[in-house]
Amino acid sequence: KQEVTQIPAALSVPEGENLVLNCSFTDSAIYNLQWFRQDPGKGLTSLLLIQSSQREQTSGRLNASLDKSSGRSTLYIAASQPGDSATYLCAVRPNNAGNMLTFGGGTRLMVKP
Amino acid sequence: DTAVSQTPKYLVTQMGNDKSIKCEQNLGHDTMYWYKQDSKKFLKIMFSYNNKELIINETVPNRFSPKSPDKAHLNLHINSLELGDSAVYFCASNTGRGEQYFGPGTRLTVT
Repeated sequence: KQEVTQIPAALSVPEGENLVLNCSFTDSAIYNLQWFRQDPGKGLTSLLLIQSSQREQTSGRLNASLDKSSGRSTLYIAASQPGDSATYLCAVRPNNAGNMLTFGGGTRLMVKP
Repeated sequence: DTAVSQTPKYLVTQMGNDKSIKCEQNLGHDTMYWYKQDSKKFLKIMFSYNNKELIINETVPNRFSPKSPDKAHLNLHINSLELGDSAVYFCASNTGRGEQYFGPGTRLTVT
């Protein structure tokens, strides 16, 4: 059974810092991994999708890496801004049928001005 | 031009009632999902449905049933609501690449 863990559970940084959020998963037989952002009381916004054959994806100040063999992914946020404050979730999609994502518990990020 | 929409946004009801939450996606996706986010903010898959195949997470009580009138809709029907059903329910749909798009959520409160 796939388990996804995110560390740290919460993080507070001053504006301008570069930061790394971690995601680990127990079963490396994944189809892809997706990073989401969730603002309080809102739905999930897809940030980056990494297919199992890829090593990283970039979008603006965000860079996500994937090391499938070791069961790890990181989300790097450059030059953090107060608007980045949110909960960041990673989710893995298995190779088998159903496409049902397994989510980590999230990292709650606070960027202080 | 909302991609995945849900109604209602908030739902307050009493124990024992039956209720439905509606979901629509205008993205032309083949597969739709329902997730439950509990008070600890943990997201769990409930159902995956793609017109041909319904996959149910084995932990979901059979009081919950998805109903799909057409490819763009996947509604969630809940019978005999219990206090523990209080949560935020998210609908999602899937691109061919496997990227999921989520609706804004429905906050269900059972009193």
